[in-house]
Amino acid sequence: DAKTTQPNSMESNEEEPVHLPCNHSTISGTDYIHWYRQLPSQGPEYVIHGLTSNVNNRMASLAIAEDRKSSTLILHRATLRDAAVYYCILRNYGGSQGNLIFGKGTKLSVKP
Amino acid sequence: NAGVTQTPKFRVLKTGQSMTLLCAQDMNHEYMYWYRQDPGMGLRLIHYSVGEGTTAKGEVPDGYNVSRLKKQNFLLGLESAAPSQTSVYFCASSYDRPITDTQYFGPGTRLTVL
Repeated sequence: DAKTTQPNSMESNEEEPVHLPCNHSTISGTDYIHWYRQLPSQGPEYVIHGLTSNVNNRMASLAIAEDRKSSTLILHRATLRDAAVYYCILRNYGGSQGNLIFGKGTKLSVKP
Repeated sequence: NAGVTQTPKFRVLKTGQSMTLLCAQDMNHEYMYWYRQDPGMGLRLIHYSVGEGTTAKGEVPDGYNVSRLKKQNFLLGLESAAPSQTSVYFCASSYDRPITDTQYFGPGTRLTVL
C-alpha cells in the first residue's frame, strides 16, 4: 500500500474549523482514502472515505486534491470531543489482506 | 446493538502463562480482525478472518493463535505469554473488505505480561 504523511500534532480552538492534511504522493488510481480517529482510551472509529470526489457526511468532509496526491479532512466546528488521533489510510482495491495499515496519525488538541 | 465487544478489559499475566481474548460482534459481519497497539504507535494487524472457519496471518502473527468457530466470535490466544506481548489489543469487524467498507472496533483489552 502507498504511504501517507501527516503532521504529528495540531491544535484548534473549540467551535472553529479544523483542516487536517494528508500527503500521499505515491497513491495509485485504485487507492481509496480512509480516515479513522481514535479518542483517548478507545478503539478507532471510522470518519470518512473517498476515491476521487469530495465527500461529506455528518462527522466531517473530505477534500481530495485534483491530482489525488493529497487530501484534507475538514471538521467544520471542532468540539472538545473531537480531540483524538486522526489516521489517514490508503487501501488498494486489489489488496488481498483486508486490513487497514495505521501510521502514527495526527494528534488533534482542541482548546476551549 | 452492542456492536463489537471484547473480554476481558484488563489482564495481567506472568511470563509463560496462557490466555484467550474473546471478541464478539452482533452485526452479522463476515470479516473480523485482531490488532495490537503499542504506546505511541499505530495499530498493527495480528490475524484476521474472512468468514466462519477461516483465519489468516497479518503483519505480526508470531506468538498468537486464533480461531473463528462461530461467525460472531473471534478468539485470540497466547500460548506462552512474553513481556513483548504487553500491549492494548483491539478487535474489529466489517461486513465486507475494508477497501470500501467501514471497520468497527471494540473498546480494547489492556494486557500486561510481567
